[in-house]
Amino acid sequence: TQLLEQSPQFLSIQEGENLTVYCNSSSVFSSLQWYRQEPGEGPVLLVTVVTGGEVKKLKRLTFQFGDARKDSSLHITAAQPGDTGLYLCAGVIGYGNKLVFGAGTILRVKS
Amino acid sequence: GAGVSQSPRYKVAKRGQDVALRCDPISGHVSLFWYQQALGQGPEFLTYFQNEAQLDKSGLPSDRFFAERPEGSVSTLKIQRTQQEDSAVYLCASSLLVAGAGELFFGEGSRLTVL
Repeated sequence: TQLLEQSPQFLSIQEGENLTVYCNSSSVFSSLQWYRQEPGEGPVLLVTVVTGGEVKKLKRLTFQFGDARKDSSLHITAAQPGDTGLYLCAGVIGYGNKLVFGAGTILRVKS
Repeated sequence: GAGVSQSPRYKVAKRGQDVALRCDPISGHVSLFWYQQALGQGPEFLTYFQNEAQLDKSGLPSDRFFAERPEGSVSTLKIQRTQQEDSAVYLCASSLLVAGAGELFFGEGSRLTVL
C-alpha cells in the first residue's frame, strides 16, 4: 500500500492546457516535496512545502499543501512540451527519517 | 563534478551473482538515501544513513541486500545472489540536512539487469 497516492497516473494533454496533479495520504506529513524526473536522470526538486494551507508558486506551477498536511496538489498553467516528465511527491511521515515517494504522475504535453 | 555520482551506470549480472553499486554523495552532505525504482514508477525507499549511521533499513527487500557508509561519505549497496526481480534502477541521493528537512540531490542511477 502506497503511503502517498498520486493521481492521475498518466496524463496526456495538448500544449496550452491546464492540469492538476494530486498527492494524498491518510498520514500527516511534517513536510512534503515535489520532484520532476526525466528519463535516464534522477529526480530534481521543484518545491518543499511545510505549513498546512501553504501555497507556493514557481512560474507556471502552483503548489498547495492541505490544511491538515495530508495532501498536496500541483497545478500547471498553460503546459508546454518541456513540462513533460514524471512528477513525484515525497514526504517524511511525522518526524522520522524515511522519505517516501508516491508512484508518480507521467505527464506528456503534445505540441 | 559537484553532483552525486553513481557507478556503474549499467550492470548486467547473471542470476546468482553478487553486485556492488557505489555512490559518491556531495561532499559534506549528512544524509544519504538508497532507492529502488521500476520503470515509470516512483522510487521505493531502501535505506537511510545519517553520516555513517544506518538509521533506517526497513526498505531493504531481503537479507540479500546490504548497504554501508563506513566513513560517512561514499556508500555501497551490495546485492548478493541476484534474482531477476532485483532488476531495477538503483538511485542514490544525498542531502545537506537530516531526512525531509532539505533538498535531495540524486545521482543518475545504476541500472541493474539480472538475466
